[in-house]
Amino acid sequence: AQTVTQSQPEMSVQEAETVTLSCTYDTSESDYYLFWYKQPPSRQMILVIRQEAYKQQNATENRFSVNFQKAAKSFSLKISDSQLGDAAMYFCAYRPPPQGGSEKLVFGKGTKLTVNP
Amino acid sequence: DTAVSQTPKYLVTQMGNDKSIKCEQNLGHDTMYWYKQDSKKFLKIMFSYNNKELIINETVPNRFSPKSPDKAHLNLHINSLELGDSAVYFCASSQTGTLNFGPGTRLTVT
Repeated sequence: AQTVTQSQPEMSVQEAETVTLSCTYDTSESDYYLFWYKQPPSRQMILVIRQEAYKQQNATENRFSVNFQKAAKSFSLKISDSQLGDAAMYFCAYRPPPQGGSEKLVFGKGTKLTVNP
Repeated sequence: DTAVSQTPKYLVTQMGNDKSIKCEQNLGHDTMYWYKQDSKKFLKIMFSYNNKELIINETVPNRFSPKSPDKAHLNLHINSLELGDSAVYFCASSQTGTLNFGPGTRLTVT
């Protein structure tokens, strides 16, 4: 079974600094998807970034970028120029290739990020 | 024009009662899900439907019964509520593999 591990239950960063959140996963598949979702106190789950395993290039979305190491099964999230609004729970998630709706997103336990002014 | 909506957002009820949570998506997606987030924030899939057909039923007690009247709606009915059912329940939809979540329903069983 696929598993996702986030080894940092909590992290903190100073405003305007850079922080990296770690994620590792376990799978025997070669084609899959990886995601980072953000959950602020409002509890809404917000997609931050998505990476397809077949793409060697690391995904970026403005201040958010990933370091995808397929061989090491590692998928870390880097947040640059941290802002107060980045404070949230961050969840790493794995999804196998499409299988007619039977694929399920497997989440890590989350990392709580605090941004200090 | 909310993409995935859930009602109610908060639900407080007593043990033994029966309650329903409704979900609607206007994205035209074929697949819809129910996820449960426990008190430790852990998210776990409960059910998935693809075009009104149940695809995933993830070891959930029979007291939980999903229903999909059409592919834009996926409701969750819970019978004989127990204290351990207290959690946040998220509906989500997907077409290309990325999940779009609803705002969640916080269920509190007293």
